[in-house]
Amino acid sequence: DSGVTQTPKHLITATGQRVTLRCSPRSGDLSVYWYQQSLDQGLQFLIHYYNGEERAKGNILERFSAQQFPDLHSELNLSSLELGDSALYFCASSVVKAGGFSGTGELFFGEGSRLTVL
Amino acid sequence: AQSVTQLGSHVSVSEGALVLLRCNYSSSVPPYLFWYVQYPNQGLQLLLKYTTGATLVKGINGFEAEFKKSETSFHLTKPSAHMSDAAEYFCAVRIVGGSGNTGKLIFGQGTTLQVKP
Repeated sequence: DSGVTQTPKHLITATGQRVTLRCSPRSGDLSVYWYQQSLDQGLQFLIHYYNGEERAKGNILERFSAQQFPDLHSELNLSSLELGDSALYFCASSVVKAGGFSGTGELFFGEGSRLTVL
Repeated sequence: AQSVTQLGSHVSVSEGALVLLRCNYSSSVPPYLFWYVQYPNQGLQLLLKYTTGATLVKGINGFEAEFKKSETSFHLTKPSAHMSDAAEYFCAVRIVGGSGNTGKLIFGQGTTLQVKP
């Protein structure tokens, strides 16, 4: 058990819909990262939040957005869903601090949310 | 820009045989390197990591990897494969230092290890 909790584990929805994926990081971790895993793209970094602030963006579509709340949990919002958005979405947390780091910087991953768009 | 290449998307070995999963990285600065394992329907679990110091690092489940700067490689090995090692393995690099240091990991495409009885 990594200590990172993601809900829901599975989600089936239709094209055009909107979903919200939730992530609770490990206790004490201020950084949350979102990744998308698909067969054709592999593991793609989407976005990084540190203590409530967006710190880095990767290959995240404009239809997607995220935020990190004061209690440090994070949500990834996916809207106007398309078939190609079907994937496994991972959240990871770390003790990494923006502008520097502490520890060796490994990420601790949740078990993922599997999104199926029909 | 940093990148990771894993040679071979599928590797098949017999139980008891040597496991060798290849990873090459590209980085303009000394990187931190990681190997993660993903079992079916599970998240990624850290196997081992290289940061600084000893270039041969040992991880969980009998795996080890050697950082070779001259070859820009970080290959993962295990002397004797076990059926329970069947999984997908990911090599990852972390940007260290500079404006790109947000702590994110860049992953390779993954290698599926099959272990035959």
